[in-house]
Amino acid sequence: SQKIEQNSEALNIQEGKTATLTCNYTNYSPAYLQWYRQDPGRGPVFLLLIRENEKEKRKERLKVTFDTTLKQSLFHITASQPADSATYLCALRAGSARQLTFGSGTQLTVLP
Amino acid sequence: DGGITQSPKYLFRKEGQNVTLSCEQNLNHDAMYWYRQDPGQGLRLIYYSQIVNDFQKGDIAEGYSVSREKKESFPLTVTSAQKNPTAFYLCASSKAGGYWDIQYFGAGTRLSVL
Repeated sequence: SQKIEQNSEALNIQEGKTATLTCNYTNYSPAYLQWYRQDPGRGPVFLLLIRENEKEKRKERLKVTFDTTLKQSLFHITASQPADSATYLCALRAGSARQLTFGSGTQLTVLP
Repeated sequence: DGGITQSPKYLFRKEGQNVTLSCEQNLNHDAMYWYRQDPGQGLRLIYYSQIVNDFQKGDIAEGYSVSREKKESFPLTVTSAQKNPTAFYLCASSKAGGYWDIQYFGAGTRLSVL
């Protein structure tokens, strides 16, 4: 069956370090992958989209990689800040699918 | 100020009762979506609509109904047939429901059973 897995439900890191979140998928051939941020009690907010033919995408302190051979995307936040604390969701659309499928998210806490 | 407005923020349902969650957008988007989010789980698609007067079932449509009479509005009714309705409900929209579309979300409605 098709599945999206995001690494450990919770990740704690020290302020100033780089946070790395993982999104693995099985039995998909996604044309692209999206990352969203969700704060408690709020709706997700779009951050980045990376296409299958792109290896890496950057936006300010954020970087996303996409390895279709490993079936994995990595999401990096450099110089992390307590304000980066949130749940981060990956989502992909596979092949001819008409909808996005979301992972369960990784809750990131940046400790001051 | 463009965006998606969901109301109410909190909603309580009694046994056997139908309740309706409101979703309005002023982004001029064609496509709208309803998701359900349970603790520790990803978003699961309930219904989506790519055009007025047309909608499709998502992965967990049973016990829910929708309508799309206006472009701006996509209300979700949680019927009494939905036996486990307690969850966080999110409405989203996208420009055209196209392949590369980014989804914009409302702030959500938290539904609980009395």
